[in-house]
This record gives sequence, C-alpha cells and structure tokens, in this order.
Amino acid sequence: DTEVTQTPKHLVMGMTNKKSLKCEQHMGHRAMYWYKQKAKKPPELMFVYSYEKLSINESVPSRFSPECPNSSLLNLHLHALQPEDSALYLCASSQEEQSSYEQYFGPGTRLTVT
Amino acid sequence: RKEVEQDPGPFNVPEGATVAFNCTYSNSASQSFFWYRQDCRKEPKLLMSVYSSGNEDGRFTAQLNRASQYISLLIRDSKLSDSATYLCVVNMPATTSGTYKYIFGTGTRLKVLA
Repeated sequence: DTEVTQTPKHLVMGMTNKKSLKCEQHMGHRAMYWYKQKAKKPPELMFVYSYEKLSINESVPSRFSPECPNSSLLNLHLHALQPEDSALYLCASSQEEQSSYEQYFGPGTRLTVT
Repeated sequence: RKEVEQDPGPFNVPEGATVAFNCTYSNSASQSFFWYRQDCRKEPKLLMSVYSSGNEDGRFTAQLNRASQYISLLIRDSKLSDSATYLCVVNMPATTSGTYKYIFGTGTRLKVLA
C-alpha cells in the first residue's frame, strides 16, 4: 500500500484564521515532506522531517508551522496567511531522507485564502 | 542555471506516436532520478525511477547519462490517457551539509491527440 492521505481536500480561510492541514502515511516511511504548488508550476519544497525531526526548512515564513507528532503523522499549522498563499499543499513521504527511495504524494489540500 | 531543467512543451502528438522528453540537472553529485506524471489538479504520481543501466516499463523507457547530466523518458505507442505533465525529479545535495533534497523540473506537458 503506497497511500498517503491528506485532510481536508479543500480549505477556504480568512487572513485572520488559524487552521491545520493533516497528512498520514502507514508505510513505515521515516521521511515526510510538505510542498506548495501553484498553478502550472512544479511543487516547491517547504519542509522535510526525518525521523520526526525537522531536517530542512526552505526559509518558509513563520505563518506556516510544521509539526510531526509521530512517525506516521505530519501537520502544517496555518496562521495569518496572505492571499498569495493560496495553492495546492502536497504532503509526501519516502522510506528515508538521504537515500534513493521514491517519494509518494498525497492528494493534496487545495487552500484558498480570502 | 536552474538545478533541474525541462522543456515545458506542450508536446502535441497523435495517438500511436513515439515521444521523448529530456531533463538536465546541474549538480554532478546528484544521487537518484525519477519521472513523475501529474494530471491536472491532481498530485504527482511516480512513473518510474531511473537507473544508470536504463530501465523499461511497458511502453515507457527511462535512461540516465551521468556524463552529460541528463535523463530521458521515451513513450512509445502514445495513448490518449498519456496526456499529462511529466515531471523530472532529481535527488541532489542540499546546501545544508549532509542532507539531500528532491528537486523538481518545471514539467513537460504532453497532449496526445486522437
């Protein structure tokens, strides 16, 4: 089973709201990722967690706050977002971070900031 | 120079045609290589990993040329269902010492015409 799940599928939030995106995998993968994808652009890496520790933060604004409560779960907490943050947010996992293993993506959360 | 470059296309080809995509990468220390397929408003799905010896999966053949730093994807006997964006992904050293990250090319759009 190569399934990564994400909730919610769609999210509309105002600039003063606080919301969270959730991601889950049960493949025993030890690396998990958050990407942001705008229309007609490739996914852009935001964060990498390896063995539940933050490994890479691609200079993401602090209004995005990642959390890895355990090896199967990855959250992205959102606060005071801007309209330009509207995008598809993709979660992915791979067996290890520093390896040749493939990444598997969840279906994404389509976020609209109003 | 971008870390991973692809011709954005679009490639419009008739059913049954053979089409080839190339992808170049900048870092000679890159470790692993993949092709993903992404349908409109969906997540990227792994198509195939790319090995040094080249590999084939049905109508799809991927090749790696480390000396020239490019990978290729050949699709034979194109089907309407092959219409999608094809993303080249390279796992290369991150600026942070000891870590690697997956870098996406801009993607190549393919449209197979009846």
